[in-house]
Amino acid sequence: DTAVSQTPKYLVTQMGNDKSIKCEQNLGHDTMYWYKQDSKKFLKIMFSYNNKELIINETVPNRFSPKSPDKAHLNLHINSLELGDSAVYFCASSQGTGINNEQFFGPGTRLTVL
Amino acid sequence: AQSVTQLGSHVSVSEGALVLLRCNYSSSVPPYLFWYVQYPNQGLQLLLKYTTGATLVKGINGFEAEFKKSETSFHLTKPSAHMSDAAEYFCAVSGGGSYIPTFGRGTSLIVHP
Repeated sequence: DTAVSQTPKYLVTQMGNDKSIKCEQNLGHDTMYWYKQDSKKFLKIMFSYNNKELIINETVPNRFSPKSPDKAHLNLHINSLELGDSAVYFCASSQGTGINNEQFFGPGTRLTVL
Repeated sequence: AQSVTQLGSHVSVSEGALVLLRCNYSSSVPPYLFWYVQYPNQGLQLLLKYTTGATLVKGINGFEAEFKKSETSFHLTKPSAHMSDAAEYFCAVSGGGSYIPTFGRGTSLIVHP
């Protein structure tokens, strides 16, 4: 059973297009995240949701819009894709917002913008 | 504000040799510390974490880390490297009012036969 799953695994698209990445967790967790990992492996938090509510938005361009239809799902929609958006995007979840909570990561979505 | 410094973007060892990956943190409050591992083309998974209590923490796959408050360090060790340990390792710290961990820049462990 996959704990945190993401689709698609790979996404290749042209500049200016709009795309979505889907994430689902079956761990019963309350908190979900989106991270961006650049080519140097640096991991940057983008968003965090708790019980379907956005609570962290880390200076991400408005072109990125997360949506959480329920606690188990957190999707990421990206408008007007730019070359700099090329990266690996990870979804993660944790039991809650406790500072000692382990995060469970999905397998990642490798986005390439041409 | 918290920060994490991982010394050495790449560490190369021979199979069977000691693995030592360094992590120093900066935190204004008692930290919670984590080590995550990322195998090629996969997401991160937790190796071990320190919250409170015993300062020597044992994790999966034979790894352990020791919290040293006086040195603000949380170095990761394994007595004998296996080829399967080749991966990217991330140290992270949380606390100080934010539950979002701050990740280090990662250390790539290369294991030679």
